[in-house]
Amino acid sequence: GENVEQHPSTLSVQEGDSAVIKCTYSDSASNYFPWYKQELGKRPQLIIDIRSNVGEKKDQRIAVTLNKTAKHFSLHITETQPEDSAVYFCAASRRGTGNQFYFGTGTSLTVIP
Amino acid sequence: DGGITQSPKYLFRKEGQNVTLSCEQNLNHDAMYWYRQDPGQGLRLIYYSQIVNDFQKGDIAEGYSVSREKKESFPLTVTSAQKNPTAFYLCASSNGGALSYEQYFGPGTRLTVT
Repeated sequence: GENVEQHPSTLSVQEGDSAVIKCTYSDSASNYFPWYKQELGKRPQLIIDIRSNVGEKKDQRIAVTLNKTAKHFSLHITETQPEDSAVYFCAASRRGTGNQFYFGTGTSLTVIP
Repeated sequence: DGGITQSPKYLFRKEGQNVTLSCEQNLNHDAMYWYRQDPGQGLRLIYYSQIVNDFQKGDIAEGYSVSREKKESFPLTVTSAQKNPTAFYLCASSNGGALSYEQYFGPGTRLTVT
């Protein structure tokens, strides 16, 4: 089955700096890669996603890049703000398998004011 | 609030008792999922269902059971056979259509077994 690894497990940045979280996956057939943000005690919420036919996607201060050859994808947050502090999860999925998601272990991001 | 609800928010049980967690969605989604979340381990899939009256085991199904009698509902039973049931349980749903891959999560149930 698919195996998703996520690094780092914790990340602290100064407000205004950029944050980068990286994930690798093992199944070359995976074709959908979402990123979820989970604030303390709340449900995970989708912040951005990318499909395998695209190399990069951007939404305001958030961007995701995908390297299919190397089987890794990254989340980039620019101009970080204190409200970006949360746990971020990456996931990989392959159509035709019930849309089953395989999640990384999460990155706890702290933005220091 | 996303159209997917879980109840209760907190649940306390004694060891040896079965307990059922509720998950309901009004998004008309075909697929539903149950995840378990433990600190430092991300989300692990327990069971999932693509259509009514059908479900498959995920990576950690042992000690759990589910049913899918209605499209809107996907209850999870944590049985006494589950060795370490204390965790945060998340339900999710997805329409699984060609244009949408996203899974929508419920607010979660925190189960404590003593």
